[in-house]
Amino acid sequence: GQQVMQIPQYQHVQEGEDFTTYCNSSTTLSNIQWYKQRPGGHPVFLIQLVKSGEVKKQKRLTFQFGEAKKNSSLHITATQTTDVGTYFCAGYPYAGNNRKLIWGLGTSLAVNP
Amino acid sequence: GAGVSQSPRYKVAKRGQDVALRCDPISGHVSLFWYQQALGQGPEFLTYFQNEAQLDKSGLPSDRFFAERPEGSVSTLKIQRTQQEDSAVYLCASSLRTSGHEQYFGPGTRLTVT
Repeated sequence: GQQVMQIPQYQHVQEGEDFTTYCNSSTTLSNIQWYKQRPGGHPVFLIQLVKSGEVKKQKRLTFQFGEAKKNSSLHITATQTTDVGTYFCAGYPYAGNNRKLIWGLGTSLAVNP
Repeated sequence: GAGVSQSPRYKVAKRGQDVALRCDPISGHVSLFWYQQALGQGPEFLTYFQNEAQLDKSGLPSDRFFAERPEGSVSTLKIQRTQQEDSAVYLCASSLRTSGHEQYFGPGTRLTVT
């Protein structure tokens, strides 16, 4: 079936270091969304990418959508303790059931102060 | 404005009991989604409503799970004869338009079946 893989599963960094999580889909996506879930919290929408090769920035966060619309990445520059949480990518596939977001398993980020 | 709310926040049920979980979406949001999230996992899709119509229930794990949204606003997820494997956080999300747009999540209901 349709799958979205995320790597790494866990990442520990020192405050100030950069962090990147990668998302790979088994199928072409019409769009991809990124969410952040703090420990004990619920997913919060960060951004949506729609166009092939699209790059969007939010302060220290940079999001990319691959040319083939099958992969995406989130890069955080100079991490802070407030960045702690699990980052999920989720995409709508072009084919099949496009009402259903396909979620990755997430990358959990820990930041040591 | 008010976000998505869910109640109860925590529910402990004995195996075999029925439970009902409520979701109040953001006012005016057309789409409503239910997800199940196990510890350390991503949200797993259960079902999707567009207004009062349940357009996709492919993620409901068994016929013990039932969801409704009779007036296109509040939704209820009902689980009959709960089993231990039903223990999880149940998340509700709403979206302004039809699927394809960003989803706003409620705080979830943590269900523990003993």
